[in-house]
Amino acid sequence: EAGVAQSPRYKIIEKRQSVAFWCNPISGHATLYWYQQILGQGPKLLIQFQNNGVVDDSQLPKDRFSAERLKGVDSTLKIQPAKLEDSAVYLCASSPGGLAIYEQYFGPGTRLTVT
Amino acid sequence: AQSVAQPEDQVNVAEGNPLTVKCTYSVSGNPYLFWYVQYPNRGLQFLLKYITGDNLVKGSYGFEAEFNKSQTSFHLKKPSALVSDSALYFCAVRDGNNFNKFYFGSGTKLNVKP
Repeated sequence: EAGVAQSPRYKIIEKRQSVAFWCNPISGHATLYWYQQILGQGPKLLIQFQNNGVVDDSQLPKDRFSAERLKGVDSTLKIQPAKLEDSAVYLCASSPGGLAIYEQYFGPGTRLTVT
Repeated sequence: AQSVAQPEDQVNVAEGNPLTVKCTYSVSGNPYLFWYVQYPNRGLQFLLKYITGDNLVKGSYGFEAEFNKSQTSFHLKKPSALVSDSALYFCAVRDGNNFNKFYFGSGTKLNVKP
């Protein structure tokens, strides 16, 4: 089966610009996650969707970050405006269902550099 | 308070020797525990998980992990390391009382020397 797809793979922007990342989860996976992984750190969960509803976005900086998952499939994460500290790899993951027991399948990530 | 800790930034081991990568956690309720591996230029991959039952769980590539509730630990082990095991390993935990809370550790770089 195809894995989690993410695009773009790399993005360089200047501070105060906007950027958007796209994720296509594994077919049939109901749960979708967005993570931020700063160099040298573990992934930090930003937002979790169950189908097209948000189940947790407590660590999403909502003044500049937004995410949506229309129709419960693809998802987009947006940053507007970007800051230098947003430089990181943004990971998307999906899992088969809403139960906590399921492991997550990760995409290759988008490496964002803010200059 | 840190929810999951990996006390070693790096672990060095000789090929053929046993390896241990340490993980301790601090969450409420009965935790769900996971190990993931990140090879260079590749995405995170699931290795194994503990949900309930036997404290010793076996996973991919010959890895296993032992859940110790009294010590709140979930150390990753392998009896005989391979050079190809060299990678970045992450422990992760889901809060047992709030399944929406999921935390990764900071990662441990495993170096296996020939």
